[in-house]
Amino acid sequence: DAGVIQSPRHEVTEMGQEVTLRCKPISGHDYLFWYRQTMMRGLELLIYFNNNVPIDDSGMPEDRFSAKMPNASFSTLKIQPSEPRDSAVYFCASSPDLQETQYFGPGTRLLVL
Amino acid sequence: AQTVTQSQPEMSVQEAETVTLSCTYDTSENNYYLFWYKQPPSRQMILVIRQEAYKQQNATENRFSVNFQKAAKSFSLKISDSQLGDTAMYFCAFMKPFGNEKLTFGTGTRLTIIP
Repeated sequence: DAGVIQSPRHEVTEMGQEVTLRCKPISGHDYLFWYRQTMMRGLELLIYFNNNVPIDDSGMPEDRFSAKMPNASFSTLKIQPSEPRDSAVYFCASSPDLQETQYFGPGTRLLVL
Repeated sequence: AQTVTQSQPEMSVQEAETVTLSCTYDTSENNYYLFWYKQPPSRQMILVIRQEAYKQQNATENRFSVNFQKAAKSFSLKISDSQLGDTAMYFCAFMKPFGNEKLTFGTGTRLTIIP
C-alpha cells in the first residue's frame, strides 16, 4: 500500500484566499483524522471521520475551517478565508479502527502570507 | 483530560550509543494505548512502537524498546546502537480505547545523533 497520501505537499497563499488540502487514506481504513502542527501548540486533532461521517469536530478552530469526506478514499480540509495564523503543517492520518495505530501522511506545509 | 509530558526538549548522543527518552502521562483510565512516533526533518510522522496498557511485557521493535511502568505512569523509549538516521523529533502519545478517542501528544524531544 502507498500509505496515506496528501496533496499538495507545500502551499503558499495570500491572506484571504481559499485553501484546500487533500487526503487519500489507506485502503480499508475506516477512520480518518486531520491534525495541525505548530510550534506554539504542537500537534492538535482538528476532526475525525468514521466511515465518511464526521464524528468529532471539536478541534476545528473556527468556522473558516471545514472538512468533508465524500467517499472512503478522499477527504478535504478547506480554509476560507485563510489567515497568516493558519500557517502550519497539516497532517492526515488513517486507521482501521479507533483502537488501532494511526498512520500519518507526509503532511502539507501551509504558509499564508 | 489526559496529559502527556516529555521533560527533555532536546537530547544528543554519540552514534552507536544508547539513549533513553522519557515520557510521563496522567490518566484515570485503566486501559489505554501508548505510542512513540518519530518525526524526521522530512516532517513525516512515523510510528516507532506501540504499547497496550493491559500488557505487562514491554514492547520492542528491533533497536527500539520501551520501559512501561504503569503504576508510575511512565513510558520511556530506549534506542540502542543509535544511528544517524535516528535524528528526529520523538513524540510520545496516549490514547484511551473507548469513548472520546483522541491521540494526545507530548511536546516532543529533539534527538540528535552525533557522528
